[in-house]
Amino acid sequence: GAGVSQSPSNKVTEKGKDVELRCDPISGHTALYWYRQSLGQGLEFLIYFQGNSAPDKSGLPSDRFSAERTGGSVSTLTIQRTQQEDSAVYLCASSLDFIGYTFGSGTRLTVV
Amino acid sequence: AQKVTQAQTEISVVEKEDVTLDCVYETRDTTYYLFWYKQPPSGELVFLIRRNSFDEQNEISGRYSWNFQKSTSSFNFTITASQVVDSAVYFCALSNNAGNMLTFGGGTRLMVKP
Repeated sequence: GAGVSQSPSNKVTEKGKDVELRCDPISGHTALYWYRQSLGQGLEFLIYFQGNSAPDKSGLPSDRFSAERTGGSVSTLTIQRTQQEDSAVYLCASSLDFIGYTFGSGTRLTVV
Repeated sequence: AQKVTQAQTEISVVEKEDVTLDCVYETRDTTYYLFWYKQPPSGELVFLIRRNSFDEQNEISGRYSWNFQKSTSSFNFTITASQVVDSAVYFCALSNNAGNMLTFGGGTRLMVKP
């Protein structure tokens, strides 16, 4: 597609439920990143995928968070047993050459 | 480890004033890239500029200009003759040559009042 697409744009979930957030990167972009932006805060790195290499998971805040990228394209970020502190905007970005990053519009997650 | 510091959390100016947003970075890499992004109220991150560590030439794009100084590890952003539409949060970011992480500063919220 023309840009990075994320769905849903908004998600409200009850505490303790699992959620899945989807990212569809720009076609041909080999690198994909997930970031989290809590209310009024900066962007926190979560995970990075590059081609078929093992992902860099160093930013995942707990083992409730996981992500996969199927076929080197679409990625899903899963949060299990959601907590209120998980409420944030989750941003996905993709890149072809590591020096140009295009961000999606994000998924606003609210845990009630 | 990489670090980006935007000391100004919030700036308020009146339309047509010039404003400079500060960015100071830390890295051990000799090759790296610096970025500025704009985040308007809609929430989307809009790419403004990328600069590599070997190019210290300052850049001007319309009302925007950037001053990269390796000696002080700074990459400051100036908006000339600010407009209300410039109101947004601006993020400075740093990437290493491997591209496996983009480290962001905390952002500066710019409010331009008419």
